[in-house]
Amino acid sequence: DVKVTQSSRYLVKRTGEKVFLECVQDMDHENMFWYRQDPGLGLRLIYFSYDVKMKEKGDIPEGYSVSREKKERFSLILESASTNQTSMYLCASSLFAGDSNQPQHFGDGTRLSIL
Amino acid sequence: GENVEQHPSTLSVQEGDSAVIKCTYSDSASNYFPWYKQELGKRPQLIIDIRSNVGEKKDQRIAVTLNKTAKHFSLHITETQPEDSAVYFCAASMSSGGYNKLIFGAGTRLAVHP
Repeated sequence: DVKVTQSSRYLVKRTGEKVFLECVQDMDHENMFWYRQDPGLGLRLIYFSYDVKMKEKGDIPEGYSVSREKKERFSLILESASTNQTSMYLCASSLFAGDSNQPQHFGDGTRLSIL
Repeated sequence: GENVEQHPSTLSVQEGDSAVIKCTYSDSASNYFPWYKQELGKRPQLIIDIRSNVGEKKDQRIAVTLNKTAKHFSLHITETQPEDSAVYFCAASMSSGGYNKLIFGAGTRLAVHP
């Protein structure tokens, strides 16, 4: 069974801090994704990656960056956290590079609060 | 722009009744349509998906239908049970800069009452 692990379930940070959210998958998947989930808005794609050191902007990349130094690890970075970035963040992975026409496997999510 | 609209936002049914959730999409090139179920406090999990070369797919009590002409697809749950209570998300694949990505609907909160 695919395991996608996010480093924290709950995180509280202060405005202006640099925040790192970590995600690790154990199934040698090519693709990794970061979404944020807000009530009434569904899941919105922030960034995705189809290979090591490769990244593509999603639909709402402003205020975020990502890092993929190893195939199994995809990090989301909030350069200077703001209160409007308080949300649930979900990481996902899927098998084949460059193709989202396949199931995505999600982590448990990190509920991030920016005070 | 690219979007997926999902209706209704909330749905309440009695145990044993059927539930239907509908989604429409904007990109006529979309060719993959998954459905995810998210129970309270848990991760979204894929429950069924359909590709554009198929009009209907069934897995036990759940089925999905796709109408490519009208650009809409639906999730049907028959003989609902309390454990079906969850938020359900539809999604459609869309092209972006040479890659495909998924666009999700806003979700439907289904409550099944015993």
